[in-house]
Amino acid sequence: LAKTTQPISMDSYEGQEVNITCSHNNIATNDYITWYQQFPSQGPRFIIQGYKTKVTNEVASLFIPADRKSSTLSLPRVSLSDTAVYYCLVDPGSARQLTFGSGTQLTVLP
Amino acid sequence: KAGVTQTPRYLIKTRGQQVTLSCSPISGHRSVSWYQQTPGQGLQFLFEYFSETQRNKGNFPGRFSGRQFSNSRSEMNVSTLELGDSALYLCASSLEGRGHTGELFFGEGSRLTVL
Repeated sequence: LAKTTQPISMDSYEGQEVNITCSHNNIATNDYITWYQQFPSQGPRFIIQGYKTKVTNEVASLFIPADRKSSTLSLPRVSLSDTAVYYCLVDPGSARQLTFGSGTQLTVLP
Repeated sequence: KAGVTQTPRYLIKTRGQQVTLSCSPISGHRSVSWYQQTPGQGLQFLFEYFSETQRNKGNFPGRFSGRQFSNSRSEMNVSTLELGDSALYLCASSLEGRGHTGELFFGEGSRLTVL
């Protein structure tokens, strides 16, 4: 399973755009990149998933370069409620076993 | 549409006891997986069930077991509890079976404290 590396923590201010980059050098051809958000004492919540180029939904955008060895989660205009841990995962798809790394603790300040 | 329901939400046990946790997946979801989350080890995969069969198992001792019923509800059991088993146990369900990269829907977890 491909290992991911992401910053341990990030701080931002309300209203700013936040970009969290994840490295996954050993990603395989069939792997997808998935991001989850987790609040304290709750289960992770799916944010977005992509294979290549750019994916956008109502809460975030995911940018994946051509070599797919990294990805960037973009959160537009964050608010205090976006303070959470964000996990980048490489999803092999062939099994429902996901490997969560340490995640990035995003703290949004007023 | 109801989400993933886990019971109990909180429980306290003592070393040597056993515990059973329950998970009701989203209606129509056939895949149920379990994860353990601790401050030291983070989120770790325990096992995954699909159509009452265990398909994948993480690197946990045999004290950790599970099963899935015909209605897709799942239970996990931990026997001979140790202090290190104190954790948030999360259940997740998904719609598709093997080969699909659909999202996982997690419950709020069962917080187990072993004294």
